[in-house]
This record gives sequence, structure tokens and C-alpha cells, in this order.
Amino acid sequence: AQSVAQPEDQVNVAEGNPLTVKCTYSVSGNPYLFWYVQYPNRGLQFLLKYITGDNLVKGSYGFEAEFNKSQTSFHLKKPSALVSDSALYFCAVRDRRNNNDMRFGAGTRLTVKP
Amino acid sequence: SAVISQKPSRDICQRGTSLTIQCQVDSQVTMMFWYRQQPGQSLTLIATANQGSEATYESGFVIDKFPISRPNLTFSTLTVSNMSPEDSSIYLCSVGVSGRVDEQFFGPGTRLTVL
Repeated sequence: AQSVAQPEDQVNVAEGNPLTVKCTYSVSGNPYLFWYVQYPNRGLQFLLKYITGDNLVKGSYGFEAEFNKSQTSFHLKKPSALVSDSALYFCAVRDRRNNNDMRFGAGTRLTVKP
Repeated sequence: SAVISQKPSRDICQRGTSLTIQCQVDSQVTMMFWYRQQPGQSLTLIATANQGSEATYESGFVIDKFPISRPNLTFSTLTVSNMSPEDSSIYLCSVGVSGRVDEQFFGPGTRLTVL
């Protein structure tokens, strides 16, 4: 069975600095990997996904993530953080062999300070 | 992407009562799912709503507590039965779009508080 770990409950960065939100996964085969963002009192919004191909995936709002198969990681990054990026971020993995089963990490709360 | 609406957006209920949450999608979708997000927690899959047949429940969730209907390809309901304060959560509907099974979209959620 697949699983996802987000080792940091909270990440704090200053506006304008680069940010990284970490994610590692465990799955027996090749995974689909996702990042979602949840703003206060709102549902999850899709940011980006890795399916196949280029390991560097670009998504919404200037975010990108790098798939690293050897380290089984899919860290979310942004070169210059904005205060409006402050939200809860979820990493998710789906086993390609079972499209019904998407597993979410515990979430990382990102706070960007002015 | 699919546009998903949920009703109600929030509710406060008394212990022992039941609440039915509706999920409406603006297009026909292959897969519909129901998730629970307990306070400060991640998302947990409750069940997959199957059109025309019984839902498929994940370990720890049972039909008597969370009956689900899916009468067509655009609509589903989740009922939280005989509620207790432990059922206080956000309940999210999610869909997988036909031909794009690598991606899921989520509704805005229903925030349930049980007193």
C-alpha cells in the first residue's frame, strides 16, 4: 500500500525568499504524485502533478515540484514566496494500478511573513 | 476541470441526528469519492461512490454509519448517521474526470459540528 510523509508540520519563510515544502512517498510501483493547497475555509485546490516525463513539474501560482525517484521525494518549491501563499499544503500519491486509492500526507502549514 | 458544489456548506447538529450532504458536479464524471478531514488532520477516504451500485467503503467506515447514494454520473449524497461529537469534521466530495483518471478535483467541503 502506498503512503505519503510530510515531515514538517509547519514551514515559515520570509516574503521574497525561496520556499520548500517536503514530501516523501512509498509505493510499490511508479506513482502519480500531486500537490494540493487548502486556503482557510475553502476546499482543496490542485497545484500540480507528476505523471511521467520531465522530473521538474511546473504548476499553478509559480509553484514547481521535483520528482526524485532515488530519494522517493516530491518536494514543492517556489523561488520567491508571497504572503498570499500562506496556506495548508498536502502531498498525495496514487498507485497507478489502483486509481481509486489516493493517499494524502498529513499536511504542512506554510506561513509567509512580510 | 470539473466544478463541484456541496450542500450544506456547514451545519451544526445535535448528537443522535443524521445529516445528508449533497455533491453536484457540472459534468459527468467517472469516479466520485467522499473524504473526511478531521480537525487538524489530513484527508481520509471514506468510500468510493459507485453509480448504480453500492459504494465501496474503506477500512474503518461502514454503510450503516455513512450511507452513500449515487443515482447518476453527476450527483451523490453522503449521510452521516446517528452523529456524535467525534463526527465533527469537514466532509469533502471529490471526482475523477473521465479520461483523466490521474487527476482529482475537490468540492469546497461541508463543515459539520456535532454538539
